[in-house]
Amino acid sequence: NAGVTQTPKFRILKIGQSMTLQCTQDMNHNYMYWYRQDPGMGLKLIYYSVGAGITDKGEVPNGYNVSRSTTEDFPLRLELAAPSQTSVYFCASKELNTGELFFGEGSRLTVL
Amino acid sequence: QQPVQSPQAVILREGEDAVINCSSSKALYSVHWYRQKHGEAPVFLMILLKGGEQKGHEKISASFNEKKQQSSLYLTASQLSYSGTYFCGSGSSGSARQLTFGSGTQLTVLP
Repeated sequence: NAGVTQTPKFRILKIGQSMTLQCTQDMNHNYMYWYRQDPGMGLKLIYYSVGAGITDKGEVPNGYNVSRSTTEDFPLRLELAAPSQTSVYFCASKELNTGELFFGEGSRLTVL
Repeated sequence: QQPVQSPQAVILREGEDAVINCSSSKALYSVHWYRQKHGEAPVFLMILLKGGEQKGHEKISASFNEKKQQSSLYLTASQLSYSGTYFCGSGSSGSARQLTFGSGTQLTVLP
């Protein structure tokens, strides 16, 4: 059982570069989320999706974009990376029956 | 708007009890509790959906006062494995589509 898989686990970007964080889940969950966690801080919601083709902004969407073409995949794109986007990014999917979020292992991004 | 947690940090001896509080200025439909160990992803503890509801998982339980928009997490007879950062998450609608988290409470259990 893979659960929620994120790639890459680590990445260093230069200011102004772009990249996509990949997230895929094999539990057939409709709800998926992207959070960022700065050192010693809580989880901030970036974007979420309630199903294929449907996405919506969370608390801190600026500088990011998402798409949801399939139930399984929910990639997060960073355009024009800035040092303020240095963080650990967590993707999660939600089991609607229990409300439980299943998190991926996280992607640690550093922008220099 | 994210929920507010208190205290920010707690240090306990093994066997002692702790309470972590979570409150919101917005009406709550659900409260979710997670624990995160250093360098790992958050792990689900429990979700509370109704006013006054209490739930328990081994020696960890929680209450949810819908009218006061507050939830409390109770850890009794703490074990070393309870160390970590505890987050409460709030859902403000029936579908709880948008789940926002508090800033966390760091719990350290010493031998």
